[in-house]
Amino acid sequence: GDSVTQMEGPVTLSEEAFLTINCTYTATGYPSLFWYVQYPGEGLQLLLKATKADDKGSNKGFEATYRKETTSFHLEKGSVQVSDSAVYFCALLNQAGTALIFGKGTTLSVSS
Amino acid sequence: GAVVSQHPSRVICKSGTSVKIECRSLDFQATTMFWYRQFPKQSLMLMATSNEGSKATYEQGVEKDKFLINHASLTLSTLTVTSAHPEDSSFYICSAAGTEGSTDTQYFGPGTRLTVL
Repeated sequence: GDSVTQMEGPVTLSEEAFLTINCTYTATGYPSLFWYVQYPGEGLQLLLKATKADDKGSNKGFEATYRKETTSFHLEKGSVQVSDSAVYFCALLNQAGTALIFGKGTTLSVSS
Repeated sequence: GAVVSQHPSRVICKSGTSVKIECRSLDFQATTMFWYRQFPKQSLMLMATSNEGSKATYEQGVEKDKFLINHASLTLSTLTVTSAHPEDSSFYICSAAGTEGSTDTQYFGPGTRLTVL
């Protein structure tokens, strides 16, 4: 069945460091892909998404490119801030379009 | 942005009792609501999908008689864990999709931590 695998955390970085969180998926066809972020004490929020191969989603300085060759959707940011500390979830929309399948989440901790 | 609330945020109960968790969309109408369960260091697992006014659709392996879902209005869905046992202890998260949006536009609640003693 459909699944999402993302790198295990926690990821600990200093402010202004470069961030990469890896995400790969297994699915039938070419699903829409998402990154969600969960700040402490809050619900998941959609960070960015891509709906077809080679699409690049971007928001708040974060980017991710839909790579069908490698079935990947890695999240990147050139310069992280303390306020980016959160849990990041990679997800895909199943073929029927009825459910989101999530990865386990990666905790990012940024220190000043 | 759209806001979804959950109540309570944390609940502790004795084994054998039932617990109700509410999920509300505060500033939009949600035709579809989703209930997820999250174990420590695990991904969110979809339990069921509910549409306003109809029966919920449960994922494989989820006991519908144990996890009762009601979606009586466009702003409220409830999850009742009946005869709870310690293995039901988990983090339960709901999400809602608006009337104009598709399933991929989900707004998530902050979650409810259930501990069964």
